[in-house]
Amino acid sequence: AQSVTQLGSHVSVSEGALVLLRCNYSSSVPPYLFWYVQYPNQGLQLLLKYTSAATLVKGINGFEAEFKKSETSFHLTKPSAHMSDAAEYFCAVSLPDNYGQNFVFGPGTRLSVLP
Amino acid sequence: ETGVTQSPTHLIKTRGQQVTLRCSSQSGHNTVSWYQQALGQGPQFIFQYYREEENGRGNFPPRFSGLQFPNYSSELNVNALELDDSALYLCASSPGTVAEAFFGQGTRLTVV
Repeated sequence: AQSVTQLGSHVSVSEGALVLLRCNYSSSVPPYLFWYVQYPNQGLQLLLKYTSAATLVKGINGFEAEFKKSETSFHLTKPSAHMSDAAEYFCAVSLPDNYGQNFVFGPGTRLSVLP
Repeated sequence: ETGVTQSPTHLIKTRGQQVTLRCSSQSGHNTVSWYQQALGQGPQFIFQYYREEENGRGNFPPRFSGLQFPNYSSELNVNALELDDSALYLCASSPGTVAEAFFGQGTRLTVV
């Protein structure tokens, strides 16, 4: 069975500072990995995804993540935080298509951006 | 805009009642999944439908049931509502691969 842990339920950064949100996973087979963002009272918006191609994945709004198999990690980074980045971020794992298609989400990390 | 629409956006029900939530999939998507997101938590997988058949289910009791229609739209039904069913319910549609899934905006259910 797959699982996801996100270290830090709440992360605060100053505007312009580096954003680092941590995600570690466990999976019985090489997984697909995703980062989603959720703004208050809204659904989930895909930031980026890893589906066994390049290990460094670039997403929307300047975010990127690197798949590290040896560390079972998929941390999300952004070089310079913007006030509009304040939101809840979820890391999710899924098995490749021939095994099943549902997501297993982590508990989320709330990002606050201070002026 | 993902093309996945859910209705209603909010509703309030009384404990013991039944509720139906609806999801209209993105055009060309034959797979729909439903998730429950309790306040302050990540979404939890309820079940998935592929071409009108349930083909995966999470750890939810049978009073959570669903349907998928020939046009691939979907319903989530919850019977005998409990206070703990209060949550944001999300549906996701995909063309058969999770890598191309899109989420709707969700339905906020409050059980009182």
